[in-house]
Amino acid sequence: EAGVTQFPSHSVIEKGQTVTLRCDPISGHDNLYWYRRVMGKEIKFLLHFVKESKQDESGMPNNRFLAERTGGTYSTLKVQPAELEDSGVYFCASSPSLSYGYTFGSGTRLTVV
Amino acid sequence: GESVGLHLPTLSVQEGDNSIINCAYSNSASDYFIWYKQESGKGPQFIIDIRSNMDKRQGQRVTVLLNKTVKHLSLQIAATQPGDSAVYFCAENLRGNEKLTFGTGTRLTIIP
Repeated sequence: EAGVTQFPSHSVIEKGQTVTLRCDPISGHDNLYWYRRVMGKEIKFLLHFVKESKQDESGMPNNRFLAERTGGTYSTLKVQPAELEDSGVYFCASSPSLSYGYTFGSGTRLTVV
Repeated sequence: GESVGLHLPTLSVQEGDNSIINCAYSNSASDYFIWYKQESGKGPQFIIDIRSNMDKRQGQRVTVLLNKTVKHLSLQIAATQPGDSAVYFCAENLRGNEKLTFGTGTRLTIIP
């Protein structure tokens, strides 16, 4: 079974540019989550999809962040325009339900310079 | 807000010894707790979990202890190996909510 795949693994962009991160969850997992770890701090929740619907987006830091999951399969997280404080590692996870635990992807390391 | 915190950011242990990583949580409504291991360049990997109706759970070389009275969680790793070197995160979940709240993480280094 393929795991959660994230692309790209690394991205370096200039402040003000746009970046789009992609996450392919495990096939059949309705729940998809985005988290991020900034500057060695704790991993923080961004949002949760159930199929194509945003179940909880309380962790999205501001309106520069836009997440989509068209068709309920893969998801994208766009940052536009990127700021220096957006640098960090963005993790995606999927699960049939929390009771079954999450499977995390390897993350995308975003560096804004 | 509620938070999950770790007592120590780093821990060094001699290979073969046992290690204990501690975690404090502040939300008494938390129902489910998970320990994750994160190796360099990889995402968090599930190690072991425990629900609030239990106080101990054992896996292969790992044991999680939950003390609800003092809101404390610990991960014990027995007979540590070099491959155990990683950052370990505790995470908590509130009943009825799908998101996890993570602690800062503890870096465990196994000394050969």
